Amino acid sequence: SQQGEEDPQALSIQEGENATMNCSYKTSINNLQWYRQNSGRGLVHLILIRSNEREKHSGRLRVTLDTSKKSSSLLITASRAADTASYFCATGNSGNTPLVFGKGTRLSVIA
Amino acid sequence: DTEVTQTPKHLVMGMTNKKSLKCEQHMGHRAMYWYKQKAKKPPELMFVYSYEKLSINESVPSRFSPECPNSSLLNLHLHALQPEDSALYLCASSQDPGTVGNQPQHFGDGTRLSIL
Repeated sequence: SQQGEEDPQALSIQEGENATMNCSYKTSINNLQWYRQNSGRGLVHLILIRSNEREKHSGRLRVTLDTSKKSSSLLITASRAADTASYFCATGNSGNTPLVFGKGTRLSVIA
Repeated sequence: DTEVTQTPKHLVMGMTNKKSLKCEQHMGHRAMYWYKQKAKKPPELMFVYSYEKLSINESVPSRFSPECPNSSLLNLHLHALQPEDSALYLCASSQDPGTVGNQPQHFGDGTRLSIL
């Protein structure tokens, strides 16, 4: 079953602009992760944010988590054509419960 | 380059064939996963192996048979598949089987499977 729901489903921006993707989920979580998938490739882990964290940065990526609203956002600053990919959020819990992936956002960055 | 290697990259097979997908990782991870992904959809979990033992089977049809010969290898044996089984099959691994939902997963680039 899917827990995360990304918004928007597709996003098209110009190179240099910022891209923001949102993820909403339904039940309480231990952590939320973001993954990138380039066309025809596997998923690449980008960032993990735990339920007691509000914001995390990694290079041009900024992730926020609002557990009261059950939502997270991924911001990619100064986007590049190479950022064109699908982005998935995945929610996780402690113990042996596996990750649950959202439906994903398809990002197109136009040069 | 990914640290999880999957072979073959592409596979075309008939509905009566038997084939196997292979996955290998040398990161010392003790949890390994098989996912199925259809076009423009998220990956769907099929199986989880923890310490080389099957720990989760997401009600996958028996025509898919996983095997974990050792801590570095994961196979998926295929037999009598249907056209709707055509998809990208992804293998992944993570470090600690005790907390599979609590840590990053490392994915291979998948096997693109087409059933004729």
